[in-house]
Amino acid sequence: EPEVTQTPSHQVTQMGQEVILRCVPISNHLYFYWYRQILGQKVEFLVSFYNNEISEKSEIFDDQFSVERPDGSNFTLKIRSTKLEDSAMYFCASSGAGWEQFFGPGTRLTVL
Amino acid sequence: KNEVEQSPQNLTAQEGEFITINCSYSVGISALHWLQQHPGGGIVSLFMLSSGKKKHGRLIATINIQEKHSSLHITASHPRDSAVYICAGTYNTDKLIFGTGTRLQVFP
Repeated sequence: EPEVTQTPSHQVTQMGQEVILRCVPISNHLYFYWYRQILGQKVEFLVSFYNNEISEKSEIFDDQFSVERPDGSNFTLKIRSTKLEDSAMYFCASSGAGWEQFFGPGTRLTVL
Repeated sequence: KNEVEQSPQNLTAQEGEFITINCSYSVGISALHWLQQHPGGGIVSLFMLSSGKKKHGRLIATINIQEKHSSLHITASHPRDSAVYICAGTYNTDKLIFGTGTRLQVFP
């Protein structure tokens, strides 16, 4: 069964460093999403991406964040200068035409 | 403001019990989603519904459009059902707006 994959599973970084979180969506899906979940809190939407551009972004998704689909299979989230409050689980999701979203296993980002 | 609220926050049950988790949402929803989050953190979509009722194995999801309310039922609960169950809504866009989740523990 096709699945969304994410790498790495856990990333530890120093405050101020750049990180890139990687996702491989399900191959025939067209809609891609990033969500995050701070420990103990609910999952929050960050950004959606369709047709090689951002279709919607939340207030959280400020200038330190960017997304890219560099090669037709990977979907990346870059955080330019990490802050302590960026520590969270980051989930990638993808969907086809039916709006049901399929989630990856998540990347746990720890900013020290 | 688009919102999704769940109850209860925590739920414990004995194996075999019938379980109900409730979700209420603000007006304008396009679809209501039920998801399961495993202890390791992974999220799995269980149901997406905009009307009526759906069933998959021991799981049943219902939605009442007039009351803006949805329920997730688990029949004959089992310890492996222990997880966080989350309802989420899509409104006029495809982003999911998540509830806070219900932590379910089923004891043998």
